[in-house]
Amino acid sequence: GQNIDQPTEMTATEGAIVQINCTYQTSGFNGLFWYQQHAGEAPTFLSYNVLDGLEEKGRFSSFLSRSKGYSYLLLKELQMKDSASYLCAVRGGRSNDYKLSFGAGTTVTVRA
Amino acid sequence: DAGVTQSPTHLIKTRGQHVTLRCSPISGHKSVSWYQQVLGQGPQFIFQYYEKEERGRGNFPDRFSARQFPNYSSELNVNALLLGDSALYLCASSLFAQNTEAFFGQGTRLTVV
Repeated sequence: GQNIDQPTEMTATEGAIVQINCTYQTSGFNGLFWYQQHAGEAPTFLSYNVLDGLEEKGRFSSFLSRSKGYSYLLLKELQMKDSASYLCAVRGGRSNDYKLSFGAGTTVTVRA
Repeated sequence: DAGVTQSPTHLIKTRGQHVTLRCSPISGHKSVSWYQQVLGQGPQFIFQYYEKEERGRGNFPDRFSARQFPNYSSELNVNALLLGDSALYLCASSLFAQNTEAFFGQGTRLTVV
């Protein structure tokens, strides 16, 4: 099965940087995804990592270490609109039907 | 260009009833997956369909079923509704079964009373 852990809540100040960690144990691995979900809305895609290293996309960066079963999402220059839940998801391998398994989400609150 | 569309957006049902939720994927996408998201938790995988065939099933009872049509739209059916089925049901569309990105619809909020 899949086991994905991420912190429940984080609080940061506008303009600051926040790092959301995600650790996983999975049977098969075919990529790690980060989604942003505002309350009452659908998740929106932020990033995808399948190889080790850092992927940068504007204010958001995501890092993956497959050997450690570890990823983080880095949010820079925080804005109030970044207050949301951030979901870490792992896509399993063929034996796992390539399904996405999600963590419970990290609620980030940005304060002025 | 339309994204993933789901209907209805909100639904209230009584215990024991049946419900059908619908999803239209992004044009050209052949894979549809269904997820259940209970408040405060991450989405849980229910089904994946690709080219009208079931490709994966999560740990949900047989009361849950789904199908995909020739135009790649999909229906999720839930029989004998329980209070615990109250959740946000999300449909995700991707080009292939193991594509890099899965795009979510806005979801159907189901409340069972």
